[in-house]
Amino acid sequence: GENVEQHPSTLSVQEGDSAVIKCTYSDSASNYFPWYKQELGKRPQLIIDIRSNVGEKKDQRIAVTLNKTAKHFSLHITETQPEDSAVYFCAASIRSSNTGKLIFGQGTTLQVKP
Amino acid sequence: NAGVTQTPKFRILKIGQSMTLQCAQDMNHNYMYWYRQDPGMGLKLIYYSVGAGITDKGEVPNGYNVSRSTTEDFPLRLELAAPSQTSVYFCASSYSQGPQPQHFGDGTRLSIL
Repeated sequence: GENVEQHPSTLSVQEGDSAVIKCTYSDSASNYFPWYKQELGKRPQLIIDIRSNVGEKKDQRIAVTLNKTAKHFSLHITETQPEDSAVYFCAASIRSSNTGKLIFGQGTTLQVKP
Repeated sequence: NAGVTQTPKFRILKIGQSMTLQCAQDMNHNYMYWYRQDPGMGLKLIYYSVGAGITDKGEVPNGYNVSRSTTEDFPLRLELAAPSQTSVYFCASSYSQGPQPQHFGDGTRLSIL
């Protein structure tokens, strides 16, 4: 079945450094890839997304890149700040029907040390 | 515009009890979803709906039931609660036109003792 692998499971960086989280998906027909940030005890919130007709998208300190050939996509956070500390989830759309279903990765816990 | 509203926020149940988790959205989204999130884990799809009167199973449907009588509401029912159902439950919704982001509610934290 469809699967999304996310790495690393934990990531610790110094404030001001960059952080990169990578995801690999199995369904070559997936065409939508959102990233969610979940702070402790809160709901997952969309931070950026990319569609398969675009290779890169940027929003201030956050960027996402997509390699359709290799079936992987990555989240890049530059100039990290303590408030970036959270769990980040990648997801990929499921092609099989018009249901809007997403398959989520297992999550990456990002810790930004002041 | 409240988005996705879930009630209750917290609940403790005894083994064998039943309850309904409520979810309502005011964004006129056709698609709605129920997930569970166990501690330190990702999101697992329980049930989903593509419109009023249409529901289908997700990855982990056993022990749960849903209904969708209106576009706005998508309640999740637990019958005969078991300790394995202790989790945080999130409801989400999205537009139906092409791949769209899912918008999540604040979650219901459920403990079965």
